[in-house]
Amino acid sequence: DQQVKQNSPSLSVQEGRISILNCDYTNSMFDYFLWYKKYPAEGPTFLISISSIKDKNEDGRFTVFLNKSAKHLSLHIVPSQPGDSAVYFCAAGMNTGFQKLVFGTGTRLLVSP
Amino acid sequence: DAGITQSPRHKVTETGTPVTLRCHQTENHRYMYWYRQDPGHGLRLIHYSYGVKDTDKGEVSDGYSVSRSKTEDFLLTLESATSSQTSVYFCAISAVLNYGYTFGSGTRLTVV
Repeated sequence: DQQVKQNSPSLSVQEGRISILNCDYTNSMFDYFLWYKKYPAEGPTFLISISSIKDKNEDGRFTVFLNKSAKHLSLHIVPSQPGDSAVYFCAAGMNTGFQKLVFGTGTRLLVSP
Repeated sequence: DAGITQSPRHKVTETGTPVTLRCHQTENHRYMYWYRQDPGHGLRLIHYSYGVKDTDKGEVSDGYSVSRSKTEDFLLTLESATSSQTSVYFCAISAVLNYGYTFGSGTRLTVV
């Protein structure tokens, strides 16, 4: 029972174009969402987050959009760079209770020059 | 600059043998977590700790045990390794429950 789903295992984009990574969730109790980036042979690193009270959060080239009614979030990278090639995990959490962070299955992004 | 280190980085072990993975932090964070990463499953929580000697199970805890006798160390033990436990294991730490994770570099475990 996957509460957080990333339905695209991979995505290929050309340098300079926009990358859009998608994530769907099933539990409406999630309060916040995060994106992590992972390079090979390294641990995931935090990229950007968004609270459920917002619908958009920007940080430089990275923007996360949240559509609560659709239980969907997306990460936009503009412009994409070859160094962005990595696996991206979305994660969802709750501020109350003991529900731990739930991660999606990841999307491998390849940005070609 | 790593505030969290995992050891070993790679290990090959035989089915039925015990294995212990170590996570060491220098950040004095209260919360520590063990995850495993597998293709098609993403990151799944095995066990976590909310203080010295305080631990609890995650979603895939069967076959694993943990111990935390000091703030800085969180050990993951496979009592009798099985091939299904071949995976990459990540430790994470956080000062706030469920937020602001810092992950270690991972341990690649192969059970043959």
